[in-house]
Amino acid sequence: DTGVSQDPRHKITKRGQNVTFRCDPISEHNRLYWYRQTLGQGPEFLTYFQNEAQLEKSRLLSDRFSAERPKGSFSTLEIQRTEQGDSAMYLCASSSQNQPQHFGDGTRLSIL
Amino acid sequence: ILNVEQSPQSLHVQEGDSTNFTCSFPSSNFYALHWYRWETAKSPEALFVMTLNGDEKKKGRISATLNTKEGYSYLYIKGSQPEDSATYLCALIGDSSYKLIFGSGTRLLVRP
Repeated sequence: DTGVSQDPRHKITKRGQNVTFRCDPISEHNRLYWYRQTLGQGPEFLTYFQNEAQLEKSRLLSDRFSAERPKGSFSTLEIQRTEQGDSAMYLCASSSQNQPQHFGDGTRLSIL
Repeated sequence: ILNVEQSPQSLHVQEGDSTNFTCSFPSSNFYALHWYRWETAKSPEALFVMTLNGDEKKKGRISATLNTKEGYSYLYIKGSQPEDSATYLCALIGDSSYKLIFGSGTRLLVRP
């Protein structure tokens, strides 16, 4: 049973650099979600896709953030010109319609 | 803006103790409530999906109840074990996007 996989697990980069994360959902799931979690808080919704269509974006997602799901399978989340405040755990989850979301292990981003 | 609150923020108990946590949410926006367990260095694991007022769900020593009219859910752990140590998150689904709006979690530590 292949679950949701995220790559990389950890990313350390200097402020101002661009970073890209990848998420491979469970293959039959048509919905894919991105969340961000900072210390002491629960995960916060960033954006979601139904198949290849990006249907909603949180206002947390500034212009420096972009997400794609080009063929309705894997997704990428790119952050341009990273800032200290972008340091967080980035979680991806997938689901079928109203079923529970299955989460990946996350990508921990540290900005130096 | 939907706000989900959890209490307590953290809890230390002895092995064998029973414990419970609270999740409160605005009762006017409700599609479903999810409970997740999140262990360090792992992905969040779905425990329960609760949809109907008065729902009671059980999984081994863990159970949950739901009151949508007053906007709260309780999670109970009977006879806590060290392996129950984790952060327990509740998440509200408030619309048809099925995006999860998380509380900040309850961190449980069970001492042997």
